Formats: sequence, C-alpha cells, structure tokens
Amino acid sequence: QVQLQESGPGLVKPSETLSLTCTVSGGSISSTTYYWGWIRQPPGKGLEWIGSIYYSGRTYHNPSLKSRVTISVDTSKNQFSLRLSSVTAADTAVYYCAREPGSDWLDYWGQGTLVTVSS
Amino acid sequence: QSALTQPASVSGSPGQSITISCTGTSSDVGSYNLVSWYQQHPGKAPKVMIYDVSKRPSGVSNRFSGSKSGNTASLTISGLQAEDEADYYCCSYAGSSTLVFGGGTKVTVL
Repeated sequence: QVQLQESGPGLVKPSETLSLTCTVSGGSISSTTYYWGWIRQPPGKGLEWIGSIYYSGRTYHNPSLKSRVTISVDTSKNQFSLRLSSVTAADTAVYYCAREPGSDWLDYWGQGTLVTVSS
Repeated sequence: QSALTQPASVSGSPGQSITISCTGTSSDVGSYNLVSWYQQHPGKAPKVMIYDVSKRPSGVSNRFSGSKSGNTASLTISGLQAEDEADYYCCSYAGSSTLVFGGGTKVTVL
C-alpha cells in the first residue's frame, strides 16, 4: 500500500519561502509509471493543482504559480519537495502531495499539512 | 488556465440519484477524455471516485458513475446514502501534463 506523508514548517513569514517535503513509502518514486504532484487548498476553499515532477526531474507547473514554484525529487530518499517563494497570506493553505498515474489523475494522497503565512 | 465550473451545491434524498456537472473549455474537458472526480469529507484528504471520465478505481462503489459531453463532464451518484454527503471536485487534464480543478460542489443528503 503506497503512503505519502508531507512534512515541513507550519508557519512561514510573508515574503519568505515555503518548503515542504513528501516522503513516499510502499512504492518507488523512481517508477516510470507515475508522476508526483502537489495540490493545495486554502481554508474553506477548493483544490488547486500546483505542479508535478517525474522521477527524471522533469517538472510541470500551474501557469499561475510557475514563477514562484520549484519542485525537486530525491530518488535516494524516495522523496520529492516543493518550494514556493515570496509567500503572502494568500498562500495559507493545506498542502497535499499525491501520486499521479500517467499525469492525469491522482490516486494516492498524503494527509495534508496546514501552512500558515503570517508574521 | 481557469478553474472548471461546478454548481456550489446539490442535494437529494436517500435513495435518489443526483448529478454534478463540471464545465470546462475546449482546451481541457472538451479536448481530452481525462476527467477525474474526487470526494472530500471534512478534514480529510480527497479520494478519487472516477478517472478517465468514467472508470472507477478498485473499491469505489458502482453507485458512482461518470460521463462527458462536449466541454461538460458529469458525476452521477445513484442510490444516495448519508455517507455520500461530502464535497466533490472535478479535475481535468489541460495539456502539457497540467491539471485543473473545479471549484467544488457540496452534496447534501436531505
């Protein structure tokens, strides 16, 4: 059974960089079948796809966030990471990592982690 | 890349059928048979109910079905049950390995 777990600071100051890591267990992040994605959900609002990465390191981004987003993968640790720069209060959200079979749907999700942007 | 359009809320009585619509454009829903649907209970992570427009993952009840016509996809829940009360989100492939979600629909079981 594949499991994903997000980790990282729950509080980030405005203008700083949000950094989260997703640890994958029960499966290899180096599988050629899957992409690995980040999704967020502001409190009381809907889901927003942030971007995804393939094991090779190739990344794909939501155009609205692309300039601030960096996604990376560490196959030796079976982890992938998200960095979102120049954060504002609007970036306060629950951040989820998930597995994408074939890059068009999400089958396994992490439990999510709340990141609050505040001074 | 704009969010897909869903009704804010849909309701039905136990045993009834309801349908949630998801309207996109010719750049996403209309161009690809790659629409998925997610159920989210309060405080929980989303769970996939339908992928590739009408396919059900293993373990998902056959009361959930999906379809698509033109730029609009639909999720139908038949034999509505109390446990189906949740938020539902559609998601479409939008080209270049990107995804776009709908705004979400709150389903209430009366």
